[in-house]
Amino acid sequence: KAGVTQTPRYLIKTRGQQVTLSCSPISGHRSVSWYQQTPGQGLQFLFEYFSETQRNKGNFPGRFSGRQFSNSRSEMNVSTLELGDSALYLCASSLDGTDGYTFGSGTRLTVV
Amino acid sequence: GEDVEQSLFLSVREGDSSVINCTYTDSSSTYLYWYKQEPGAGLQLLTYIFSNMDMKQDQRLTVLLNKKDKHLSLRIADTQTGDSAIYFCAERPTGGGNKLTFGTGTQLKVEL
Repeated sequence: KAGVTQTPRYLIKTRGQQVTLSCSPISGHRSVSWYQQTPGQGLQFLFEYFSETQRNKGNFPGRFSGRQFSNSRSEMNVSTLELGDSALYLCASSLDGTDGYTFGSGTRLTVV
Repeated sequence: GEDVEQSLFLSVREGDSSVINCTYTDSSSTYLYWYKQEPGAGLQLLTYIFSNMDMKQDQRLTVLLNKKDKHLSLRIADTQTGDSAIYFCAERPTGGGNKLTFGTGTQLKVEL
C-alpha cells in the first residue's frame, strides 16, 4: 500500500512569505502528526490531527498552523517566514495514534 | 519533563553486532520506538515496544527495555553497510497525547 506522501519535497521561500505543506496519510489512517527537524533542535513536535480536529499542539508560535480534511489529508501553514524556519518538515500517520507512526520523506523548506 | 538522550556516534565493523543505547526520563511512557533515518530521507519505523515488555525481537533487531533504569537499547545483529544511518529512539508518554519525544539520534557508521 502507498506510504505517507508529502509535497512538495523541496521549497525555497523568502523571509516574510507564507508556505503551505501537504501530507497524504496511509489509506485508513486518521491520525496525522507534524514534526520539524533541524540540526540544532532535532525533531520537535508541531501538532497532531485526528478526524479533522487538532488533538495536540507543540510549543511553536501561532505562525505555525495546520488543518485536516475529511479524507485525512493534512496541510500545515507557516506565515511570515523567518530564516529559522528552514528545516525538514515531517509528517507521520497512524491508525489512531496508538500504533507505530509511519513517516513521510519530508518537505525541506529553505527560507532565504 | 520529557527528555530522551542518546550517544551521538557509534562505529562498528561489518558483521559485528551494534548496540545503540537510549535513556529517557518519563517513567509513564507507554510506547518506545526506534526509527532509522538515511541521508535525505524521512524516518523509517524499525520497531517499537510497549512499556510492559522487557524484550522484543524482530529478525536482526532486538530491543531491550529496563524500566527501572529507564534504559532502552537496540541491538542490530550482523551489521551491514546498509545499516549505516542515524537511529532515533522516541517515547510516547502517557498523558502526552500522541506526541513523540525524540532523542538526539545516534549516527551509526559501519566499516568494512
